[in-house]
Amino acid sequence: DSGVTQTPKHLITATGQRVTLRCSPRSGDLSVYWYQQSLDQGLQFLIQYYNGEERAKGNILERFSAQQFPDLHSELNLSSLELGDSALYFCASSNPTSGRRVGTDTQYFGPGTRLTVL
Amino acid sequence: QQPVQSPQAVILREGEDAVINCSSSKALYSVHWYRQKHGEAPVFLMILLKGGEQKGHDKISASFNEKKQQSSLYLTASQLSYSGTYFCGTTPVGGSSASKIIFGSGTRLSIRP
Repeated sequence: DSGVTQTPKHLITATGQRVTLRCSPRSGDLSVYWYQQSLDQGLQFLIQYYNGEERAKGNILERFSAQQFPDLHSELNLSSLELGDSALYFCASSNPTSGRRVGTDTQYFGPGTRLTVL
Repeated sequence: QQPVQSPQAVILREGEDAVINCSSSKALYSVHWYRQKHGEAPVFLMILLKGGEQKGHDKISASFNEKKQQSSLYLTASQLSYSGTYFCGTTPVGGSSASKIIFGSGTRLSIRP
């Protein structure tokens, strides 16, 4: 158990719909990362937040958005869903070590949310 | 740009050694190694930073050759619990992409009794 929690565990929805995935980082971790893992694309970095602010963006579609709240939990919003959005969505958290570049710390992954778009 | 991992898959007998390589076309600041078992989340193994580190714990170790922009993960005397897919993730030197970690496509390791 990494200490990172994600809800829901499974989500089944239809094309065109909107869903929200939730992540609670480990206690004390300020950074939250979101990843998408699909069979043909592997593990893709989507976006990173650090202490409430967006820090880095990866291959995140415009239909997707995220935010990190004052209590440090994060939500990933996926809208106008397409069949190709079906994937495992992981969130990870880290506590950047002083003096170390953000993104180079140990990332602890949550159990993931499996999204199925029908 | 996605780092290239090799081999794509390897099958070993328990007790044998394995080496997994990760190469990048860009200068690297850090290399991360993770193991993922089927249906589970990736689990951190180690991070190596620019400077040519070598790290290890138990029978899993890794090296980072920044001049060659590559890292290798060494698994010695493999155990059944080592089975899974190993991913390397890299962060490049400098620029706005400093925080972006890009993962390789993974190496599937199967250990047979």
